[in-house]
Order: sequence, then C-alpha cells, then structure tokens
Amino acid sequence: AQKVTQAQTEISVVEKEDVTLDCVYETRDTTYYLFWYKQPPSGELVFLIRRNSFDEQNEISGRYSWNFQKSTSSFNFTITASQVVDSAVYFCALSEGMDSSYKLIFGSGTRLLVRP
Amino acid sequence: GEEVAQTPKHLVRGEGQKAKLYCAPIKGHSYVFWYQQVLKNEFKFLISFQNENVFDETGMPKERFSAKCLPNSPCSLEIQATKLEDSAVYFCASSHQRQTNYGYTFGSGTRLTVV
Repeated sequence: AQKVTQAQTEISVVEKEDVTLDCVYETRDTTYYLFWYKQPPSGELVFLIRRNSFDEQNEISGRYSWNFQKSTSSFNFTITASQVVDSAVYFCALSEGMDSSYKLIFGSGTRLLVRP
Repeated sequence: GEEVAQTPKHLVRGEGQKAKLYCAPIKGHSYVFWYQQVLKNEFKFLISFQNENVFDETGMPKERFSAKCLPNSPCSLEIQATKLEDSAVYFCASSHQRQTNYGYTFGSGTRLTVV
C-alpha cells in the first residue's frame, strides 16, 4: 500500500536559520513520482518540485534543495536561510507510475513558522 | 486560461442541502482530479476524469457524491444532502497528461461549510 509520512507536525525557526522537512514514503512500485507542495496561509497549493523514481540526483533551486534517497525511502526538503515568507504548510506527495490513475497520495503536512 | 478556476470560493449549506462546486481546468488539459482537504490538513482523493470519462472514482462516497466533466462546460462536483463532515476545502487539479514535469495545477479551492 502507498503511504506518505511527514512526522514533523510543526516546526518553528528564526529567520535565516536552515530547516529540513522530512518525508518518508512507502510504495511497492518501481516507477513512482514524488512531489512537494507549499500551502501558504492564503490556502492555494503551490507546486515546488517533482522527481521520478529513476532520478536520485539532488536538486537545488535557489534557497530550496531536495535530497532523494531510495535506500531510506526519503525525499527531504531543506530551506536555507529561511525567510518569513516561507511560513506555510508543506506537503510531500506520492504518485505511483504503474497505477493507472496517477492520483496523489499526500502526507499530513508540516507547518513551518519562520519568526522574524 | 493558465489557471484552474474553481467557483465559488466559499459555500455555506445547511445540513441536508445540496452543494455544487465547479472547476474549469486549464484549456488543453485532459485530466481533472478532485481532492478534499479536511481539518488537520488531511487530503483525500475523490475522483479523476480523462476528458468527460471517469478515470478513477475509488475515493468517492458514492451514496451522496457525484461528479461530471462535460464537453464545453466546467467540471462539477455535487454533494446531495450534505452532512457536517462534508465541511472541507475541495480542490480541483488539471493535467495535460496523466503525469507531467510540472505535476498538476491546482485551483484555489472551494471552502464548503455545512452548518
């Protein structure tokens, strides 16, 4: 069965600190996709990244970086030098490639509060 | 347009009333997904469409929920005889293919409050 676990319910940091949001997934498929979405207080879902299971290269985009490790079934997200505008709920999600529906299975989210 | 348009933004219904939510996917996107986000951030997949055909409805509470995507019309999600537990934000997402490099584009959601 597919499952996404975000064990950190809430994280509070002071601006400019680095912070890592953890994501652990479960799937029996060899082909799957992992996502991170940001949900700011305004409520919309903002796409951050998509990785497929065959690409374990880490990715960096500005202050954001992602560490994908198949050996530990983890897809962690790090924000470097956090800013107040990073305050949001962050969701990790899984989509199985062999499952014909490609629906997203979401984790329960991590609420990040960045204090000035 | 380049956004998924969901209407209305907010909807209040008395228990037992009908609720109907709309979603206009991005032009050219042939896949539409509905998700329900309840308290404590839990997302639940409801249903997906490929054009006007139901693709996956494993998440739909079939006794009261129904959905359609008809040609040249916004997709719709209808809840007959709403219950308090239906209070949630309902998100629609569309995709050009089942899977794209940019994932799915989500609408801004419809907040349904059942009182």
